[in-house]
Amino acid sequence: DQQVKQNSPSLSVQEGRISILNCDYTNSMFDYFLWYKKYPAEGPTFLISISSIKDKNEDGRFTVFLNKSAKHLSLHIVPSQPGDSAVYFCAANTGNQFYFGTGTSLTVIP
Amino acid sequence: EAEVAQSPRYKITEKSQAVAFWCDPISGHATLYWYRQILGQGPELLVQFQDESVVDDSQLPKDRFSAERLKGVDSTLKIQPAELGDSAMYLCASSAGLAIGELFFGEGSRLTVL
Repeated sequence: DQQVKQNSPSLSVQEGRISILNCDYTNSMFDYFLWYKKYPAEGPTFLISISSIKDKNEDGRFTVFLNKSAKHLSLHIVPSQPGDSAVYFCAANTGNQFYFGTGTSLTVIP
Repeated sequence: EAEVAQSPRYKITEKSQAVAFWCDPISGHATLYWYRQILGQGPELLVQFQDESVVDDSQLPKDRFSAERLKGVDSTLKIQPAELGDSAMYLCASSAGLAIGELFFGEGSRLTVL
């Protein structure tokens, strides 16, 4: 049973525009939500997280929004840069258990 | 900056052979995870350790996979015998074990079974 879902396998955005990556979850008991970025042949690297008691967290060009009533979170990247091209995984945790989505491949077109 | 170390980065083996992966987590991290990632999918948990104890190995195919973390520090994941369907990226991750802590991943071990 997939508790974290990313329904868009890929996304293409022009450089300088906003990238919006979406994620849905089913378990209302998750404590934190996280976004990871993964380049080919490398392990995922942590990008940004948000506590379940917040609705927004911002770090530079990256902002994560959490809508608990809809069980939905999104990652906004503004402005998008070619170096942002990677696979982005949404994850959620409860205690020490982490659940991952299937990833969205972002391509930023120069 | 502290990192999760994994080796080997790449492994090519023939089916029915044995293969082993090693992971050294960030110093002081009590929780260690082994994930498998198949291309186009998210990481799937194989086994989770808290110190030297297995917390969750419900998704580990125990007929061919084994994992240990004898002294509660580094860990080894073994596959014997390897099957074609085991071709994947094997990711080790660690965390400080706090609910607010993120997961730190190693660079992974890419396994190709021929």
